[in-house]
Amino acid sequence: EVQLQESGPGLVKPSQSLSLTCSVTGYSITSNYWGWIRKFPGNKMEWMGYISYSGSTSYNPSLKSRISITRDTSKNQFFLQLNSVTTEDTATYYCARRVGPWGQGVMVTVSS
Amino acid sequence: DIQVTQSPSSLLASLGERVTITCQTSQSISNNLNWYQQKPGQAPMLLIYYATSLQTGMPSRFSGQYSGRSFTLTITSLEPEDIANYFCLQHYSARPWTFGGGTKLELK
Repeated sequence: EVQLQESGPGLVKPSQSLSLTCSVTGYSITSNYWGWIRKFPGNKMEWMGYISYSGSTSYNPSLKSRISITRDTSKNQFFLQLNSVTTEDTATYYCARRVGPWGQGVMVTVSS
Repeated sequence: DIQVTQSPSSLLASLGERVTITCQTSQSISNNLNWYQQKPGQAPMLLIYYATSLQTGMPSRFSGQYSGRSFTLTITSLEPEDIANYFCLQHYSARPWTFGGGTKLELK
C-alpha cells in the first residue's frame, strides 16, 4: 500500500523559507509524478508543483520564482522549499502522487 | 494553463437522491482528471482516476464519465457518509495541474 507522510515545521517566520519533506512508502518515487498541493483557509486548493519519475519538475507559474522541489531517491523522499514566505502562504500542505493517495497534510502558519 | 470550471459550488441533496457534479476544462485533456472527496479535518481521498476508473475500495455508487472537455462525477444514491466536499484535478501530461473550485455537498 502506498503511503505518503509530510513533515516539517508548523510555524515559519515571514521572509524565511518553508521546507517540507514527503516520505513515501510502498512505491518508488522513481516512478510516476509526485506533487505538492496546498489548501488555504477558506478551502481553496492550489497545485504548487511536481517532480517526475526522472527528476524533472514543473511549477505553478504563480510560485515559480520562490519554489523548488527536489528528491532523495535513496530515502524515497521528495522535498518542498518555498522561499520568502508571507502570511499568504499560511495553509495546509499536502504531498500526493499524480494518481493515488495524498498524505495527511501538515498545517503551516506564517507568523512572526 | 488549463482552467477547470467546477459546478455547482454547493449542492443540497436528499438521501437516496442522484447527485451530479461537473468539471469543464478549457482545453482537451483526454481522460487526465481525478475526482476527490474531502471531509473536514481529513486528507482528500481519491474517488475516480483517469476520469472513469473507480479507486479500489470506493463504493460503486460513485462513477465518473467524460465527453470531450466535460467531466462528471455521479453518486447514484446519496448516503449520509457522502456528505463532504468534492473536487476535481486535471493532470494532463507535463502541463501544470489545476483544480476545480470544489463542490460542497450538504443534506437537504
